[in-house]
Formats: sequence, C-alpha cells, structure tokens
Amino acid sequence: GEDVEQSLFLSVREGDSSVINCTYTDSSSTYLYWYKQEPGAGLQLLTYIFSNMDMKQDQRLTVLLNKKDKHLSLRIADTQTGDSAIYFCAVGFSGGYNKLIFGAGTRLAVHP
Amino acid sequence: EAQVTQNPRYLITVTGKKLTVTCSQNMNHEYMSWYRQDPGLGLRQIYYSMNVEVTDKGDVPEGYKVSRKEKRNFPLILESPSPNQTSLYFCATSYEGRTDTQYFGPGTRLTVL
Repeated sequence: GEDVEQSLFLSVREGDSSVINCTYTDSSSTYLYWYKQEPGAGLQLLTYIFSNMDMKQDQRLTVLLNKKDKHLSLRIADTQTGDSAIYFCAVGFSGGYNKLIFGAGTRLAVHP
Repeated sequence: EAQVTQNPRYLITVTGKKLTVTCSQNMNHEYMSWYRQDPGLGLRQIYYSMNVEVTDKGDVPEGYKVSRKEKRNFPLILESPSPNQTSLYFCATSYEGRTDTQYFGPGTRLTVL
C-alpha cells in the first residue's frame, strides 16, 4: 500500500524559512496535501497541489512537487512563532471515495 | 458556519466498558470517516461511510464499529475498549468523498485504562 514518510522534527529561527519534506510511494496519487495541527486542536488544511502541477504558492507558503522522485515539500517563508505546530503531508487518490494517507507528521519548533 | 462536532472531546474509561464517540456535521456531506492519530504513525483510517446505511472498513477497523442511520451523524462505537485503543480520534467529512473538500472535527482524546 501507499507509504508517506516525513522527518519527525524541525527547528528553525524566527524569521528564517522552514522547509518540510515528504516522500510517498504511489505515483497514482492525485492530490497532495499539507495539514497543520496546533497543540490541542484539530487538523487545518493549509494547502494542496494537484499531481499535474510542479509548484503552488499561497502567500508565505510554497509547495513544490517532484513527481519523478515522489517528493513533496512545504516552504514557509519568514517563519513565525505562530507557525509552531505539527505539519502532516497526506496523499489522496481520484476515482471514488477517497481516504487520505498521512505521514507521521513533522513537528516544527520556531525559536527566537 | 460549516461545522464538524465530536463528543466527548476528552474521555478516560476502563477496559471493557462500552463507549460511543459521536460525530455530527451540518454540511449535508455524503462521505464521513473516522481516523485515529498515534505518535509517529500519523492518522490512519478506521471506517468510512459513503452515504446513509453504507459503511466500510478502513485500514485499522479491529475493535471498532460504526453506524450511519442519518446523513449528519456517524458514531464510532467501541464495544469493549482496550488500552491499545488509547488514541486521538478524528471524524472527517467531505462532499462526494472528495479529499480536497475534507473537513476534520476537533478530535476526541480517549484514554483506556
């Protein structure tokens, strides 16, 4: 089955850029997502990209997709303390009632 | 306002005592599902429902039951909870099963002693 992998922890200085990486195994995935989970809260959809796109930018967020290497990344520009959270990469598939396959999540810690 | 609500938000119980976690949505979504979140494992799907009276197993269904008698509600039932079901549970809903319109509930933290 599909496997989605992320590094578990990332620490950055406030104001720097953060890059969170994700790899997946199933090339038939159609949608690739980034979710944010703040402490004690549910999941918030940050952004997503279709598999026929290479890049998507949304304000401070940039998503890059390398389909050949099955690699997805999320770049957060000018990282703030409010960005501290767990970030989940997830892949979805077309053709029916979809479930999302999630990575284990990357905990982003932003320090002054 | 689009909402997915779960109750209870926190629950501590003992092994073997039946419990139900409720999920309700106000978006008239056909598709609803349950996930559990465990450290280092991300979220894994337990059960899903494509519409009223239509349910199917996800990746980790053992020890759980669900029912879908009304479109808006999708309760998760643990008939005989065990400590390995201690987890954070999320309900999710979407229009026609599309993952780009998936909404998650706030989560239910369950501890089974």
